[in-house]
Amino acid sequence: QKEVEQDPGPLSVPEGAIVSLNCTYSNSAFQYFMWYRQYSRKGPELLMYTYSSGNKEDGRFTAQVDKSSKYISLFIRDSQPSDSATYLCAMQTSGTYKYIFGTGTRLKVLA
Amino acid sequence: DTAVSQTPKYLVTQMGNDKSIKCEQNLGHDTMYWYKQDSKKFLKIMFSYNNKELIINETVPNRFSPKSPDKAHLNLHINSLELGDSAVYFCASRASVNTGELFFGEGSRLTVL
Repeated sequence: QKEVEQDPGPLSVPEGAIVSLNCTYSNSAFQYFMWYRQYSRKGPELLMYTYSSGNKEDGRFTAQVDKSSKYISLFIRDSQPSDSATYLCAMQTSGTYKYIFGTGTRLKVLA
Repeated sequence: DTAVSQTPKYLVTQMGNDKSIKCEQNLGHDTMYWYKQDSKKFLKIMFSYNNKELIINETVPNRFSPKSPDKAHLNLHINSLELGDSAVYFCASRASVNTGELFFGEGSRLTVL
């Protein structure tokens, strides 16, 4: 079993839809949770970064962490065609240098 | 002004050859990484250096050898290339141990024929 599991998709939604992307994990020591967005033929870029449990909102994006269920989510409101990309979750244990990534979910937002 | 730059962006070579990929960051970060991304987009950590010292060395064949001449540079040399080495190799850097953001380069796409 991988430490971080993520549905690879692809996930296709119409423009304006609310998108929900999820990851589950097995290591209860993870404390930092991140979402990266990767456009085709580009490097990943950080979208959201949260510490421990709770919600964090930034514009159309909301990240949720439920440590008791070992489950994290990224919600995208009013999705746009420009949101079409691969979304990777990543996790880290405090005080370590190692980041573990999910396999990424490919999202297509149709105009 | 590119924060993390990798060269070359594309590399096509024959099995058995030796090749190198170079990475430089101008962010003043202490920690640098090499990740391998396969065709299914899975990002797997390979190596990490902190201030020129190797701190992460995953189960990578010893045909792969990283080198960090200074904390702004991290190179990756691959000997005796195999078909399974075909992937996109990403360099990344981070400021300090408890900050989350990794800054990635644009990747070096290696194709072994």
